[in-house]
Amino acid sequence: EAQVTQNPRYLITVTGKKLTVTCSQNMNHEYMSWYRQDPGLGLRQIYYSMNVEVTDKGDVPEGYKVSRKEKRNFPLILESPSPNQTSLYFCASGDRGETQYFGPGTRLLVL
Amino acid sequence: GQNIDQPTEMTATEGAIVQINCTYQTSGFNGLFWYQQHAGEAPTFLSYNVLDGLEEKGRFSSFLSRSKGYSYLLLKELQMKDSASYLCALKDGTGGSYIPTFGRGTSLIVHP
Repeated sequence: EAQVTQNPRYLITVTGKKLTVTCSQNMNHEYMSWYRQDPGLGLRQIYYSMNVEVTDKGDVPEGYKVSRKEKRNFPLILESPSPNQTSLYFCASGDRGETQYFGPGTRLLVL
Repeated sequence: GQNIDQPTEMTATEGAIVQINCTYQTSGFNGLFWYQQHAGEAPTFLSYNVLDGLEEKGRFSSFLSRSKGYSYLLLKELQMKDSASYLCALKDGTGGSYIPTFGRGTSLIVHP
């Protein structure tokens, strides 16, 4: 089954404790991206990747890191999480000219 | 850069027709998507317009006018399950990125 998976789905953590949210797709897509979604602000792009070892900043990259060592995986790293990073996070993948497929979302609470 | 504008909220009656508008400004248009998102769930693809005109898919249709920077999503025979947020997303090919940028979404409430 074609899908994008994210883990964990829910996470409660404390300020400053490094965390990683994994994202994996099995559709051999070139493009992958991370979004955060907050009430009233919609989906905002954090980082995107157009292929292995190629990543670029989106609209709200501060406080986040990503890597793309393999085509299928695109983890999101929060080196020192802060409460303003409490949000719903979505990973997505797609190919040029196609729609994006979204993962189920990760709900993060930073205390 | 891009600027995408859509109404924040709309309400409609079950069985009716509703039109959700999206206006945009971009320096390099490469396609416009509509997604549906139920609360707490992932967005799911509804439609994709590249050329001007109307694309129909069952109860949902999407229209695009590139010269006017305008699109709309038309939902017919509304059902209660159509209560959701509808996201307009613009694909801009400038700079080599083809990953869409999303508007803030329109929350549609369907009541009996």
